[in-house]
Amino acid sequence: DAGVIQSPRHEVTEMGQEVTLRCKPISGHNSLFWYRQTMMRGLELLIYFNNNVPIDDSGMPEDRFSAKMPNASFSTLKIQPSEPRDSAVYFCASSFGGNIGEQYFGPGTRLTVT
Amino acid sequence: DAKTTQPTSMDCAEGRAANLPCNHSTISGNEYVYWYRQIHSQGPQYIIHGLKNNETNEMASLIITEDRKSSTLILPHATLRDTAVYYCIVNPGTYKYIFGTGTRLKVLA
Repeated sequence: DAGVIQSPRHEVTEMGQEVTLRCKPISGHNSLFWYRQTMMRGLELLIYFNNNVPIDDSGMPEDRFSAKMPNASFSTLKIQPSEPRDSAVYFCASSFGGNIGEQYFGPGTRLTVT
Repeated sequence: DAKTTQPTSMDCAEGRAANLPCNHSTISGNEYVYWYRQIHSQGPQYIIHGLKNNETNEMASLIITEDRKSSTLILPHATLRDTAVYYCIVNPGTYKYIFGTGTRLKVLA
């Protein structure tokens, strides 16, 4: 299995632009997570999907952030409009079962907003 | 979730065992101890988890004290590729991990 796939790996954009991050979870996994990692705040859970349904979006920082999972093999995290403070590494992870099972992380997308 | 305390950093000689401690004195009876690591510029990687008993897999061993207030992750023969930040997470078997700041392990040649 190729593991969790994220694209793009690096994104540089200007403040105010829309940014879309993409994730393909491991086949057969029914849970998907979006995390954000910064030096100041560490690794934070943004949103959790189970069977394509958002279960917990309490970590989504603002209405500028939205996430979708139209099917079991694809998810997007969108920031519109982007701001410099959104600069971070965004990780997608997937697991089977959501709870006790281990989470498998993708390589991350490094976002820089200028 | 119970709070964990880990040393900020540790060094280990290549080929020696790396013993990474974690204190979780407020752990509840239903909370598991998970270990993940994050190699520079990569996503976190699951290592091992346990509830009460000691656990071993191909990557590491997890030793949990009888009172469950602390645990130790053991990498039996550390290599340079084990240089990473190691996170100890206590969790009642839910999806919500709190990663904390972890221990930065440096394996020295």
